[in-house]
Amino acid sequence: AQTIHQWPVAEIKAVGSPLSLGCTIKGKSSPNLYWYWQATGGTLQQLFYSITVGQVESVVQLNLSASRPKDDQFILSTEKLLLSHSGFYLCAWSLGRIANSDYTFGSGTRLLVI
Amino acid sequence: GEKVEQHESTLSVREGDSAVINCTYTDTASSYFPWYKQEAGKSLHFVIDIRSNVDRKQSQRLIVLLDKKAKRFSLHITATQPEDSAIYFCAASTSSGSWQLIFGSGTQLTVMP
Repeated sequence: AQTIHQWPVAEIKAVGSPLSLGCTIKGKSSPNLYWYWQATGGTLQQLFYSITVGQVESVVQLNLSASRPKDDQFILSTEKLLLSHSGFYLCAWSLGRIANSDYTFGSGTRLLVI
Repeated sequence: GEKVEQHESTLSVREGDSAVINCTYTDTASSYFPWYKQEAGKSLHFVIDIRSNVDRKQSQRLIVLLDKKAKRFSLHITATQPEDSAIYFCAASTSSGSWQLIFGSGTQLTVMP
């Protein structure tokens, strides 16, 4: 069975500090991977997507970057956190184009920037 | 680009009644419309979807209607139960730009016993 694992579960970080959030997919090869951000009480904003290793497309950057170092791994990072980065970060995967395949979210990482 | 508007920010119904959540979209090329449920403090869980080749889909107590002319789709939850209480998000994606899923703002559904 396919599993999607996000780490860490939660973080409290200081403004200006670096951040790295991870997402791993097990059980499927060559998944399409996505990062979403949800402000507290808000809607979901797609940040990045990747359809192959080493390639990442930006949708909305929010002073964040993403990388796909391995087929099953997607990393979201920044060198300097802002207060506005607080929220809930969700990774998702699909096998094909969204309209043609299941789209599954991970359990998310809750980030508080203070 | 595509915009999805979710009309009800909150919705309260009595247990056993039906709940209806409405969404509209702007891009006529949109062809895939999923719905997700988010319980408090948790991630999103897929509940039902509809594609543009049909105008109605049902899965147990969930019915999704799609009106392509009006660019409107809706989620109907029949015989609501307290465990249906959650935030529901509608979303839309196009076949051509389908690396992106555009979400509505969410509807907090409360089912009162």
